[in-house]
Amino acid sequence: DIQMTQSPSSLSASVGGRVTITCRASQSISKYLTWYQQRPGKAPKPLIYAASSLQSGVPSRFSGSGSGTDFTLTISSLQPEDFATYYCQQSYSTPITFGQGTRLEIK
Amino acid sequence: QVQLQESGPGLVKPSETLSLTCTVSDGSIRSYYWSWIRQPPGKGLEWIGYIYYSGSTNYNPSLKSRVTVSVDTSKNQFSLKLSSVTAADTAVYYCARTLYNSGAYQFDYWGQGALVTVSS
Repeated sequence: DIQMTQSPSSLSASVGGRVTITCRASQSISKYLTWYQQRPGKAPKPLIYAASSLQSGVPSRFSGSGSGTDFTLTISSLQPEDFATYYCQQSYSTPITFGQGTRLEIK
Repeated sequence: QVQLQESGPGLVKPSETLSLTCTVSDGSIRSYYWSWIRQPPGKGLEWIGYIYYSGSTNYNPSLKSRVTVSVDTSKNQFSLKLSSVTAADTAVYYCARTLYNSGAYQFDYWGQGALVTVSS
């Protein structure tokens, strides 16, 4: 199985600020990476697919980059609704696997 | 837009079989993959497996011996059965549409989730 490791596990930031979350794969996954946002009590929502493509309807303050084993999700100009948990997911090979999640909290 | 809804018992006894159904509305089940994903309380996400509308399946090896996913295109539904459950199977179970594009899978539409507790 391909292991996905996110860092940090949690972080705090202020409204209007900028954050970067990192996801590392245990082997190369090319660009087969998706980022999700999960708010408490809700299902995950896709944000970025193919490592850097913005899902339709997702604000442009979300961006993704990377390929191979190292990927980043950046959120610029944080809004109150952005405080949630974020997961990366690889689909280079099955079983499809997720990172452990990064909890973003308001400072 | 596509909507998914999980249904099934919220409480299952240890050693019994967990059964859930996902009903797809405002869209056809045809021409897509459909997945089950679970999330233990306070923990991360685990992919259980997917089924193509034609019936072909792919399961997570960690659960493969206990999992069966089936599809009923006439009802626009797909189902999950997980046998010999233990407390470790307590989780919110999500169904999700699974897009396959250029070799990659992503989950673009999700159900609201169904909490299943394994307890006697």
